[in-house]
Amino acid sequence: GNSVTQMEGPVTLSEEAFLTINCTYTATGYPSLFWYVQYPGEGLQLLLKATKADDKGSNKGFEATYRKETTSFHLEKGSVQVSDSAVYFCALVQVGSTLGRLYFGRGTQLTVWP
Amino acid sequence: KAGVTQTPRYLIKTRGQQVTLSCSPISGHRSVSWYQQTPGQGLQFLFEYFSETQRNKGNFPGRFSGRQFSNSRSEMNVSTLELGDSALYLCASAGGSGYEQYFGPGTRLTVT
Repeated sequence: GNSVTQMEGPVTLSEEAFLTINCTYTATGYPSLFWYVQYPGEGLQLLLKATKADDKGSNKGFEATYRKETTSFHLEKGSVQVSDSAVYFCALVQVGSTLGRLYFGRGTQLTVWP
Repeated sequence: KAGVTQTPRYLIKTRGQQVTLSCSPISGHRSVSWYQQTPGQGLQFLFEYFSETQRNKGNFPGRFSGRQFSNSRSEMNVSTLELGDSALYLCASAGGSGYEQYFGPGTRLTVT
């Protein structure tokens, strides 16, 4: 089946620190991979995506590379800001067979202190 | 382009009642999906509609139902509300290939 596992939080960092949030997946075919971010009281915002192996998604200083050999899609940012404090979700969609259904990880709470 | 809108944003209901939530997708998007978010279970898929047809369904009881109209707007209905139905209900729309989903702000449902 399809599933996503991401590192347990919470993650607490000082401003300008390096961020890594690990995400691994299980899929029966060729998924597309996503990172979503949720700020308090809001819905999910699409942060970045990758649709095939070795693709690198990037946005707002965040990056993640689709690694088929390790079935991973780790989120990284070189220098976090207080405004990055939010919950981050890794997700996959199975291309073709279950179109429209996102499989999510449990989310990782990130808090950045000034 | 306007984003996904959901109404109402907040709702308080009593056990046993029923509720209808509404979602308007991004203009041109034909796929609408619904998710339930709770602290205990995380994000769980309810169902997905495409061109007025339910294309995919999650593992929820029959009390949860939905529909999609010809203008792609969607509603979900929960009948005989239970305390455990208290959650944030998120709607997402997708267009084109359908793989990227864009979420609305959610409807916070509290069942007392």
